[in-house]
Amino acid sequence: LAKTTQPISMDSYEGQEVNITCSHNNIATNDYITWYQQFPSQGPRFIIQGYKTKVTNEVASLFIPADRKSSTLSLPRVSLSDTAVYYCLVGVPQGGGKLIFGQGTELSVKP
Amino acid sequence: NAGVTQTPKFRILKIGQSMTLQCAQDMNHNYMYWYRQDPGMGLKLIYYSVGAGITDKGEVPNGYNVSRSTTEDFPLRLELAAPSQTSVYFCASSSSGTGPFFGPGTRLTVL
Repeated sequence: LAKTTQPISMDSYEGQEVNITCSHNNIATNDYITWYQQFPSQGPRFIIQGYKTKVTNEVASLFIPADRKSSTLSLPRVSLSDTAVYYCLVGVPQGGGKLIFGQGTELSVKP
Repeated sequence: NAGVTQTPKFRILKIGQSMTLQCAQDMNHNYMYWYRQDPGMGLKLIYYSVGAGITDKGEVPNGYNVSRSTTEDFPLRLELAAPSQTSVYFCASSSSGTGPFFGPGTRLTVL
């Protein structure tokens, strides 16, 4: 099972780009990397998922280097509403292999 | 699609009581999961299922039981509720291509 390591917390200001890095040194060949956003009292919200190189959608980008031992979630021009906990999950989407979450990164965006 | 739905939203149990947390998904996903999240903490996997009739233990299965008689439903049963089971419970589902996607959660208090 791939273990993930993320910073416990990060601070940013409105309008800045925020990059959150996740380390996953023992990622398996078939594993994907998925990022979630969670607000208090809500379920984790799927943000973005990738296998290698770069993936971009309307809310974020995901950068994965060639060795896949880490990944970086990039949030462009954050606002106060991006204050949340962000989780990196490594595993096969079809589960079976027990999708285990790490401790997450608490992002605080200030005005 | 409603996605992943959970009932009830809130519940208070007395010590020793039993209850079933309901989870349903309408995305025809084969893989389903139950997680719990204690206040201020991360997500812990309780049980998961890779298809109807197949379930397996996660990180913290003690005190819980699950069944998967259909693709759509994955109920979680608490027998003899204890204060340590006070938590928010999230159900999730995934397919071979993407996910998992989470439901809104059930907040359970055991007094």
